[in-house]
Amino acid sequence: DIQLTQSPSFLSASVGDRVTITCRASQGISSYLAWFQQKPGKAPNLLIYAASTLQSGVPSRFSGSGSGTEFTLTISSLQPEDFAAYYCQQLNSYPITFGPGTKVDIK
Amino acid sequence: EVQLVESGGGLVQLGGSLRLSCVASGFTFSDHYMDWVRQAPGKGLEWVGRSRDRAHSYSTEYAASVSGRFTISRDDSKNSLYLQLNSLKTEDTAVYYCARMRRIGSRYYADSWGQGTLVTVSS
Repeated sequence: DIQLTQSPSFLSASVGDRVTITCRASQGISSYLAWFQQKPGKAPNLLIYAASTLQSGVPSRFSGSGSGTEFTLTISSLQPEDFAAYYCQQLNSYPITFGPGTKVDIK
Repeated sequence: EVQLVESGGGLVQLGGSLRLSCVASGFTFSDHYMDWVRQAPGKGLEWVGRSRDRAHSYSTEYAASVSGRFTISRDDSKNSLYLQLNSLKTEDTAVYYCARMRRIGSRYYADSWGQGTLVTVSS
């Protein structure tokens, strides 16, 4: 199985900050990676697919990059509505797996 | 507007069974792969399994943790996806989400999710 790790696990930031979350895969997954945002009590929301393509309707302050084993999600200027948990997911091979998540909290 | 509505969750005894449903609307259900994903209380997301579409013989994939105990099925005439949960364990306690999969190139991404249904397994 492909294991995903995320760093940091927890991030405390202020409105306007640039935030970067890293997702690392235990083996190469090409660009078959998605990023999701999840707010408490809500379903996940797709932000980025194919490692770097912004899902329709997602603000342009979100961006994704990487391929192979290392990926990043960047929020260029953190907004109040961005405080949430973020998960990466690999679609390279079965079983599909998620990273453990990164919680972004208000400093 | 795409809508996915899960139901069927509840409290069940250890070793018991439950059937979850996910009713879809706002898109051509039969054209889409569908996934189940779960989330234990206070924990992260865990992929449960996948139903492919009719063109791919409705074949399925499962996570090792549920393989042999859970079964995914669908009824395209009812725009419905199902998850049969058998031999339930306490670690199966979670919110279960269904998700519509969108094909991008050779892979499928979960672009719409239901609100989830809570399954609690009691010992």
